[in-house]
Amino acid sequence: SYELTQPPSVSVSPGQTARITCSGDALPRKYAYWYQQKSGQAPVVVIYDDKRRPSGVPERFSGSSSGAVATLAISGAQVEDEGDYYCSSIDNSGNPLFGGGTKLTVL
Amino acid sequence: QVQLQESGPGLVRPSETLSLTCTVSGGSISTYYWSWIRQPPGKGLEWIGYIYYTGTTNYNPFLKSRVTISLDTSKNQFSLNLRSVTAADTAIFYCARGRLTGATTWFDSWGQGTLATVSS
Repeated sequence: SYELTQPPSVSVSPGQTARITCSGDALPRKYAYWYQQKSGQAPVVVIYDDKRRPSGVPERFSGSSSGAVATLAISGAQVEDEGDYYCSSIDNSGNPLFGGGTKLTVL
Repeated sequence: QVQLQESGPGLVRPSETLSLTCTVSGGSISTYYWSWIRQPPGKGLEWIGYIYYTGTTNYNPFLKSRVTISLDTSKNQFSLNLRSVTAADTAIFYCARGRLTGATTWFDSWGQGTLATVSS
């Protein structure tokens, strides 16, 4: 079955750039979306349509996509950026699909 | 700004039906794809299904035989029924507003989530 694959964890020091990848066979043809979920909270979209940033999301968040890999980058990561990040796209049937999530640690 | 709020019982007995309602405020329930997404404790997100404002539904194939999502436009609410639940259905359930870009549905507003536990 179709899957979106993310690394389980990423760790950076404050001020460094954090990069989280998402691999999926359909990504060359379909948009990727990124959700941030802080502990005990609901997810929030931080990137849509591969690289667009919703109003209110800090400029340090950026998205890109090349071939079968979408990437979320957080430039100058801050402690407040810690949490779980989920990529999303659609499966072979056009249904929404989430990656397994990546735990970002900034310390 | 639209807000979504889930409501429903926190405890459901095995083999029974889990019923949740999402109330939408600050915006119309028209035009969007009103969705349910769940998250088992400590695990990832799973899309359950959505209902379009016209009443058209689409469900996760793995849950389709047990799921019904309905819409009450007069109350600005939509609901989830998940039948024949087991402990594996224990999760935080989120309602969310879905948008469509090309062929891809994504979620721009989420409720705070409600924990539903399946236990006798």
